[in-house]
Amino acid sequence: DQQVKQNSPSLSVQEGRISILNCDYTNSMFDYFLWYKKYPAEGPTFLISISSIKDKNEDGRFTVFLNKSAKHLSLHIVPSQPGDSAVYFCAAYGDEYNFNKFYFGSGTKLNVKP
Amino acid sequence: DAGVTQSPTHLIKTRGQQVTLRCSPKSGHDTVSWYQQALGQGPQFIFQYYEEEERQRGNFPDRFSGHQFPNYSSELNVNALLLGDSALYLCASSFLAGQEQFFGPGTRLTVL
Repeated sequence: DQQVKQNSPSLSVQEGRISILNCDYTNSMFDYFLWYKKYPAEGPTFLISISSIKDKNEDGRFTVFLNKSAKHLSLHIVPSQPGDSAVYFCAAYGDEYNFNKFYFGSGTKLNVKP
Repeated sequence: DAGVTQSPTHLIKTRGQQVTLRCSPKSGHDTVSWYQQALGQGPQFIFQYYEEEERQRGNFPDRFSGHQFPNYSSELNVNALLLGDSALYLCASSFLAGQEQFFGPGTRLTVL
């Protein structure tokens, strides 16, 4: 049972434009959401997070939006840079019975073209 | 300040064998979580250790077991290996089982 889904396995964007990565979840009890970035041969690195009590969190070029009614979150990268090319994972954390468990999506591979 | 370290980086085993993977958490962290990442998939939670006890467990069979030592380092053991156990095994550490996890580079396990 996949509780966090990333339906786009890949995304290609021109340098300087906006990248929008999407994520859907099914469990309304999740109370924290995170985005991780992963380069080949490295572990995922934390990028940005958002609490379920907020609908937006911004950190430099990265903004995460949360739509709880739609159980949807998105990551916006503006402007996109070639160094942003990586696999991005959406993760959800904390529900009623599994407080310390993280659930990851399958990832979206972003390619930013120079 | 060393981050999360894992050993070995690569491992090849045959079906039915047993394997032990090791993880040292980031300095100051006391909680270790293990994940399995199959090709083309996201990390799947195996279990989490805090205060030398398994605190949470994902949907993995008993063939997967672990241990945490007093210095907070951890081991993941997999018995009776199956071909489907081939994956990247990631270790993540945090403080007091918090949300901010730091991941290691992973151990690539291949089962032939």
